[in-house]
Amino acid sequence: EDKVVQSPLSLVVHEGDTVTLNCSYEVTNFRSLLWYKQEKKAPTFLFMLTSSGIEKKSGRLSSILDKKELFSILNITATQTGDSAVYLCAVDTGNQFYFGTGTSLTVIP
Amino acid sequence: DSGVTQTPKHLITATGQRVTLRCSPRSGDLSVYWYQQSLDQGLQFLIQYYNGEERAKGNILERFSAQQFPDLHSELNLSSLELGDSALYFCASSVGGSLSADSPLHFGNGTRLTVT
Repeated sequence: EDKVVQSPLSLVVHEGDTVTLNCSYEVTNFRSLLWYKQEKKAPTFLFMLTSSGIEKKSGRLSSILDKKELFSILNITATQTGDSAVYLCAVDTGNQFYFGTGTSLTVIP
Repeated sequence: DSGVTQTPKHLITATGQRVTLRCSPRSGDLSVYWYQQSLDQGLQFLIQYYNGEERAKGNILERFSAQQFPDLHSELNLSSLELGDSALYFCASSVGGSLSADSPLHFGNGTRLTVT
């Protein structure tokens, strides 16, 4: 059965800390892995990863994929209160998307 | 604003009833996806339409059905509602039938369905 597992489930940090969110997957057919940030309502797209070892970067956020070990990490450096959200990882198998249950990040001032 | 519009925002209805959720994709997007998000299960893929045709099917119950119209808007019909159907239902759209870095998913704000 295809599945996506995210860890930790929840994380509370102080502003300025660096966090690493993990996403591991087991799917029969892998096409890409995507990260989304969900605040109050709609998830917003962060990154799409298809190749191992190539870091995607956007400001303080970065992500990398390891297709051999079947996981991805999302790093956020110098966290701010505006980073507080649920971060969702999803794997596209070509037939459908499998989402993890998300990591809830709370950044305390 | 993702450009994906979902109506209504909230819906409260009784068990056994039938509701219709509506989604207008971003301008230019041909694919519409429906997801169900409940507290304990995360985002569950229900179904995808591409240019009016069903493209992929996920964990969609037989009591649920969807369609995409010629103007590309989509409707998700939920019937014989049960308490467990209470959830946030998201619609997302993308340009193509398959996702890519140039064609990621863009989500609407969701319809919160409460079945009492």
